[in-house]
Amino acid sequence: AQKVTQAQTEISVVEKEDVTLDCVYETRDTTYYLFWYKQPPSGELVFLIRRNSFDEQNEISGRYSWNFQKSTSSFNFTITASQVVDSAVYFCALSFSGAGSYQLTFGKGTKLSVIP
Amino acid sequence: DGGITQSPKYLFRKEGQNVTLSCEQNLNHDAMYWYRQDPGQGLRLIYYSQIVNDFQKGDIAEGYSVSREKKESFPLTVTSAQKNPTAFYLCASKEWTGSTDTQYFGPGTRLTVL
Repeated sequence: AQKVTQAQTEISVVEKEDVTLDCVYETRDTTYYLFWYKQPPSGELVFLIRRNSFDEQNEISGRYSWNFQKSTSSFNFTITASQVVDSAVYFCALSFSGAGSYQLTFGKGTKLSVIP
Repeated sequence: DGGITQSPKYLFRKEGQNVTLSCEQNLNHDAMYWYRQDPGQGLRLIYYSQIVNDFQKGDIAEGYSVSREKKESFPLTVTSAQKNPTAFYLCASKEWTGSTDTQYFGPGTRLTVL
């Protein structure tokens, strides 16, 4: 069974603080992909990153960075020097193969509030 | 501008009525998806379609129906059989179902049953 757990329901930080959003996953597949999406108050999900199971290199994109560790089945997301515009719900997702189609299973999301 | 559009943005329905949510994409993507989001919950898959005139049930298909007559369009009908339809509905598309290419999402439709 595929499962994604985002244990942090809500996080509040003061602007310019660093914050890490946790994501733990379960899968029996040896090949899989992990994703992070951002959902601002407008509602649309915005794609942030995709990482395959064979690539454990950390990735940095501006103030965003991702730490993928297969040994702990985690794919954590860090925002450095947070800004008010980072306030959103963040979803971690896992792709898996089912019925000949790759589908996504989502965590329940972490609501991040950045306070000015 | 390439992307996914959903309409309407807000929809109100009386109990016992069927309503149809629109989803259109001009990305030339093969696969399209419908998800439901409830407060504090992740996204749950309702239906998906890999090609025209074909679609599959997701995890929570009861009370919903879809059609895929054109590649760019994947409307969702919420029927009166859906017991608790108030939710936020998101449509997504992907280039090819058999790959793990990224799903891209529309802006969503918020449905409220009065």
